[in-house]
Amino acid sequence: GAVVSQHPSRVICKSGTSVKIECRSLDFQATTMFWYRQFPKQSLMLMATSNEGSKATYEQGVEKDKFLINHASLTLSTLTVTSAHPEDSSFYICSAKLNSEAFFGQGTRLTVV
Amino acid sequence: AQSVTQLDSHVSVSEGTPVLLRCNYSSSYSPSLFWYVQHPNKGLQLLLKYTSAATLVKGINGFEAEFKKSETSFHLTKPSAHMSDAAEYFCVVSDGGLSSYKLIFGSGTRLLVRP
Repeated sequence: GAVVSQHPSRVICKSGTSVKIECRSLDFQATTMFWYRQFPKQSLMLMATSNEGSKATYEQGVEKDKFLINHASLTLSTLTVTSAHPEDSSFYICSAKLNSEAFFGQGTRLTVV
Repeated sequence: AQSVTQLDSHVSVSEGTPVLLRCNYSSSYSPSLFWYVQHPNKGLQLLLKYTSAATLVKGINGFEAEFKKSETSFHLTKPSAHMSDAAEYFCVVSDGGLSSYKLIFGSGTRLLVRP
């Protein structure tokens, strides 16, 4: 199947700093990618839909100025958590769809201290 | 609006016994339904999907699920559990059918397999 690579897998940052997470489709082009957030022992919640060459579409309740999404090419989307706070600590997962199947990255464990 | 309900947060079985993970969905039209598995601190892997073809869907690793429209259910089963099956399982519905990109996740079921 198709491969989606997410980097980094783990990151620890200080409160107030920004963190960038990359999501790459390795063997296919993805005009649309998706960013999810997963709290411990909870399900995945869609944060935003990343569209290549245009603005991302954010779900209700997600702050677009805090979670900056850039989809500059057909194989790369980035999520930047700006001015991170401990409550932003979570597991972030991206996905891209190919032929009606969604392929997920390995996820990024973000810890804000 | 689409929604998915996973009826059990935890299921515990002995190795070699059958597995049943329950899922009910709500949809205003013919849904696309999926089961994903997530191992600790890992991404998600597709087990199987229903896309309005055969109602009994066979997936990887011996899993299968049956789409029952009358019961609005899509339960996941496996005849014999293996230790490596221990993981979190998510039932997922696609918002808008195959043409849509939005996936709506159930709350998840953690499968524990006892030796």
